[in-house]
Amino acid sequence: KAGVTQTPRYLIKTRGQQVTLSCSPISGHRSVSWYQQTPGQGLQFLFEYFSETQRNKGNFPGRFSGRQFSNSRSEMNVSTLELGDSALYLCASTSTGSEGEAFFGQGTRLTVV
Amino acid sequence: DAKTTQPPSMDCAEGRAANLPCNHSTISGNEYVYWYRQIHSQGPQYIIHGLKNNETNEMASLIITEDRKSSTLILPHATLRDTAVYYCIVLIKAAGNKLTFGGGTRVLVKP
Repeated sequence: KAGVTQTPRYLIKTRGQQVTLSCSPISGHRSVSWYQQTPGQGLQFLFEYFSETQRNKGNFPGRFSGRQFSNSRSEMNVSTLELGDSALYLCASTSTGSEGEAFFGQGTRLTVV
Repeated sequence: DAKTTQPPSMDCAEGRAANLPCNHSTISGNEYVYWYRQIHSQGPQYIIHGLKNNETNEMASLIITEDRKSSTLILPHATLRDTAVYYCIVLIKAAGNKLTFGGGTRVLVKP
């Protein structure tokens, strides 16, 4: 069974640009969550999508957005990049069920210069 | 979700048991206790979870106090590969899969 796949693994962008990150969950998992990890703030929840609908949202500005497709693959977009957006972005997929654990991908390392 | 409190760091001798405490004094009746760990620069890895009863799997044991206000993760025979940051999280699964990570405990297993 393939794990959670995130692409690309590394990305360098310039301030003001936008970026799109992709996450393919484990087959059969309908919940995809996104997290940002920085040295200063640690791991912070961005949002969760379930069956193409945003189910939970963290405390991030509107520049951060996401979507989920019918095959459960998810993308997140960050517009008007700032230096502070440099981080490891992690995606997690979770099976439908009352106690399903989350499986994380290896992350996308975004550097904004 | 209830907040958790963990010691920031601890050392453990290789081959010995590592006992990682977590305080979650405001936990509600429908919140599960989950443990994850993150090895440097990798995605977090699920370890174990429980609601009321003690749990054991191939990786670890989870001991939850009777009042559920605290728990202990036990790594029975720590190896160097267990060096990681360990996170204790409480979660209402019915509300979705929003994991709230605190600072975690940085565990260093020493030879």
